[in-house]
Amino acid sequence: KAGVTQTPRYLIKTRGQQVTLSCSPISGHRSVSWYQQTPGQGLQFLFEYFSETQRNKGNFPGRFSGRQFSNSRSEMNVSTLELGDSALYLCASSLDEGVNQPQHFGDGTRLSIL
Amino acid sequence: GESVGLHLPTLSVQEGDNSIINCAYSNSASDYFIWYKQESGKGPQFIIDIRSNMDKRQGQRVTVLLNKTVKHLSLQIAATQPGDSAVYFCAESRGGKLTFGQGTILTVHP
Repeated sequence: KAGVTQTPRYLIKTRGQQVTLSCSPISGHRSVSWYQQTPGQGLQFLFEYFSETQRNKGNFPGRFSGRQFSNSRSEMNVSTLELGDSALYLCASSLDEGVNQPQHFGDGTRLSIL
Repeated sequence: GESVGLHLPTLSVQEGDNSIINCAYSNSASDYFIWYKQESGKGPQFIIDIRSNMDKRQGQRVTVLLNKTVKHLSLQIAATQPGDSAVYFCAESRGGKLTFGQGTILTVHP
């Protein structure tokens, strides 16, 4: 069974641009969560999607948004990029939402803002 | 300006030793706990989980202990190998929402 796939693996952008990251969950998994990982803040929860609806949201500005498609694939978008947005963005999938179960992570998209 | 990062706890062991990685969690209502391993350039990898109605769970070379009285979680790795070198995260959950600890760097010397 294929794991969580994130594309692209690496991305370089400049301040003020926007970016879209993609995540394909494990087949059969319907819940997708996004996390930001930085050396300064560690792993921070961005948002969770289930059945094409955002179910939970972390403490990030509105520049961070996401969506989920009917096949459970998800995208996240960051607009008006800032230097501080440089981070590893991780996607994790699980079977269902709201249930205690392991989340399985992709290898992330490394975003660098110049 | 100077970049300030998390100062992760570190643990250095010799190959073949047993390792114990500790984690204090914050929410007494958390009822599910997971340990993840993250190698350089990769995403966190699930190792083992435990529910709050248990105090011990064993996997292959790994054991997780849960002490709810003091809100403490530990991961024991038996016969540690160089391939175990990584950052280890604990995560607590209630209702499916995970909160991660800061991580511990494990270095295994051959």
